[in-house]
Amino acid sequence: DQQVKQNSPSLSVQEGRISILNCDYTNSMFDYFLWYKKYPAEGPTFLISISSIKDKNEDGRFTVFLNKSAKHLSLHIVPSQPGDSAVYFCAASKRAYGGSQGNLIFGKGTKLSVKP
Amino acid sequence: DSGVTQTPKHLITATGQRVTLRCSPRSGDLSVYWYQQSLDQGLQFLIQYYNGEERAKGNILERFSAQQFPDLHSELNLSSLELGDSALYFCASSAQVTGNTIYFGEGSWLTVV
Repeated sequence: DQQVKQNSPSLSVQEGRISILNCDYTNSMFDYFLWYKKYPAEGPTFLISISSIKDKNEDGRFTVFLNKSAKHLSLHIVPSQPGDSAVYFCAASKRAYGGSQGNLIFGKGTKLSVKP
Repeated sequence: DSGVTQTPKHLITATGQRVTLRCSPRSGDLSVYWYQQSLDQGLQFLIQYYNGEERAKGNILERFSAQQFPDLHSELNLSSLELGDSALYFCASSAQVTGNTIYFGEGSWLTVV
C-alpha cells in the first residue's frame, strides 16, 4: 500500500509559467514533508520541506503548500526554468513519533519538463 | 557534489551471487541511510545506522544486511541475488538522527543477470 502518492508521472510546462506538482498521502501520522529533485545520473537533492504545523513554506521560486485535512501537498515553481527539468520526489516522515528524518517514505516521482 | 561517496557506481553480477556496496558519508555525518530505487517501486527506505548502531529498518530483505563501521563508512551486503534485485541503491547521510536534511550519494547501479 503506497502511503505517499504522486499520481502524475510526468508534467510539461512552458518556460516562465508555473509548474505545480502534486502529492497525496494516506498516513495521518506523517508530520514532516519534503521535496527532492533528481537529475539523471545523480542522487536526489533536497529542495524544500514543510512541517505539519505550517500550511506554506517558500524558498525563492519554490513554494510548498500543505493541506492536512485533504492529506495533500503541492510544490509550485514560479517561474519555471529549463534547468528545473528533473524528476521531483515527494517524501514524508513521522518525526514526532520517533521517526528519523531520514526514514522517509517517497512517492514514485513526477518528471517535470520545462520547454524553452 | 553532496559529499556522500558510493562505490562501485556500476556492478553486473549473476543470480545467486553476493555483492557489497560501500558508502562514505559526508564528513562529520553520523547517520547513514540506504535506499533502493527500482523502476516500479520508486525510492524505498531500507535501513539506517547512527554512529555504528542500527537505528531504523524499512523494507529490507533478509538476504540483505548492512553495517556501519567505526570510521562511519557503511556497507550494504546483498546475497543470493535475484533478477528483481536489479536497482539503483542510494546511500544518504545526515549529521544527526533527526537532521533536517539528508544528503544522497550518486547511487550504485546493480544489474543482476
